[in-house]
Amino acid sequence: NAGVTQTPKFQVLKTGQSMTLQCAQDMNHEYMSWYRQDPGMGLRLIHYSVGAGITDQGEVPNGYNVSRSTTEDFPLRLLSAAPSQTSVYFCASRQGLAGAYEQYFGPGTRLTVT
Amino acid sequence: AQSVAQPEDQVNVAEGNPLTVKCTYSVSGNPYLFWYVQYPNRGLQFLLKYITGDNLVKGSYGFEAEFNKSQTSFHLKKPSALVSDSALYFCAVRGTMDSSYKLIFGSGTRLLVRP
Repeated sequence: NAGVTQTPKFQVLKTGQSMTLQCAQDMNHEYMSWYRQDPGMGLRLIHYSVGAGITDQGEVPNGYNVSRSTTEDFPLRLLSAAPSQTSVYFCASRQGLAGAYEQYFGPGTRLTVT
Repeated sequence: AQSVAQPEDQVNVAEGNPLTVKCTYSVSGNPYLFWYVQYPNRGLQFLLKYITGDNLVKGSYGFEAEFNKSQTSFHLKKPSALVSDSALYFCAVRGTMDSSYKLIFGSGTRLLVRP
């Protein structure tokens, strides 16, 4: 199993550009989520999905869109990048919804918006 | 609303000494509690979790955590620190009755173990 994979590892964008951060998992996990990590702020939840076709907002959803057309993939879209979106982005997945399943994290994408 | 507090930005300890990284939480009902570790330029790795039962939970790499319901705390501990334990540690919580299934993280505590 590759686990949770993310691409790209690094990205530099100009303000106003759009891009998609890719996330995939090969563990048939129901639950997937996106976090951003900023110094002193810990991990903040952006969006999450409880299954294919079902997504919802987390703590900091503004400026980001997600979709979940398959169990495996959960891309995060930045429609018009802003410097405030400079961060490290982590995708995570876990097996189930209601139990105490641990989450598995991808290696992260470091995004800089200039 | 669920929340997690990690009151210390950094914890410094000498190698061989015991370490404690503090975490307090707030949820409606009972909690699921987790500790994760992040090494430089890496994703987060699971260390241990509390579901129910024994208040002392043992996890990976010799770490353990003590659940205290009255103090709503879940402190991470290790009897003898190693230099290789130096990393960023995150506490996380989810309410067992939370229908959104969201896992909420604290702000993280940097552990520095000096030789």
